[in-house]
Amino acid sequence: AQSVTQLGSHVSVSEGALVLLRCNYSSSVPPYLFWYVQYPNQGLQLLLKYTSAATLVKGINGFEAEFKKSETSFHLTKPSAHMSDAAEYFCAVSVTTGGYQKVTFGTGTKLQVIP
Amino acid sequence: ETGVTQTPRHLVMGMTNKKSLKCEQHLGHNAMYWYKQSAKKPLELMFVYNFKEQTENNSVPSRFSPECPNSSHLFLHLHTLQPEDSALYLCASSQQDRGIETQYFGPGTRLLVL
Repeated sequence: AQSVTQLGSHVSVSEGALVLLRCNYSSSVPPYLFWYVQYPNQGLQLLLKYTSAATLVKGINGFEAEFKKSETSFHLTKPSAHMSDAAEYFCAVSVTTGGYQKVTFGTGTKLQVIP
Repeated sequence: ETGVTQTPRHLVMGMTNKKSLKCEQHLGHNAMYWYKQSAKKPLELMFVYNFKEQTENNSVPSRFSPECPNSSHLFLHLHTLQPEDSALYLCASSQQDRGIETQYFGPGTRLLVL
């Protein structure tokens, strides 16, 4: 079975500061990993995904994440926060089970950007 | 715009009502999903359809009844719901992509059960 832990249900950063959202996973087989963003009253939008091709993954809106197998982590970062980054972010792990992929989502981290 | 649409966007219903949520995907995907998103809880996978066949039902109460008439449309029929069923219901679709299924989500239906 796989699981995802997102440390910090709420994170506040100043505009222009580094954004770091933490995600740790547990999986008995090599996983695929995803970050999604959810703006108020909207569905989840894919930010980026780890496919084992490269450990540093670049996504949309200037976000990137690094897969660290030794730390079982997939933290999301952005060098400089914008007001428009305020949203909820979800980390997800996907493994192949019984011929199809099962996705498990974390509980989410709400990012607040302070002017 | 992700190519997955959901209607209605908001729904208020009484516990004795019957209503349906609709999801349509324009991405040519072969799998569709219903999720429930409640405050302070992880996304809960409710149902999975692959090539129109239901492949997963995560112990969802029978007051929720899914229907997948074709690979582009997915419905969730609701009847005699409880107030604790109030939540955001998200539909998603996916397609194999170099061995990885990436799920694309619709905007959700915000449901309030009175």
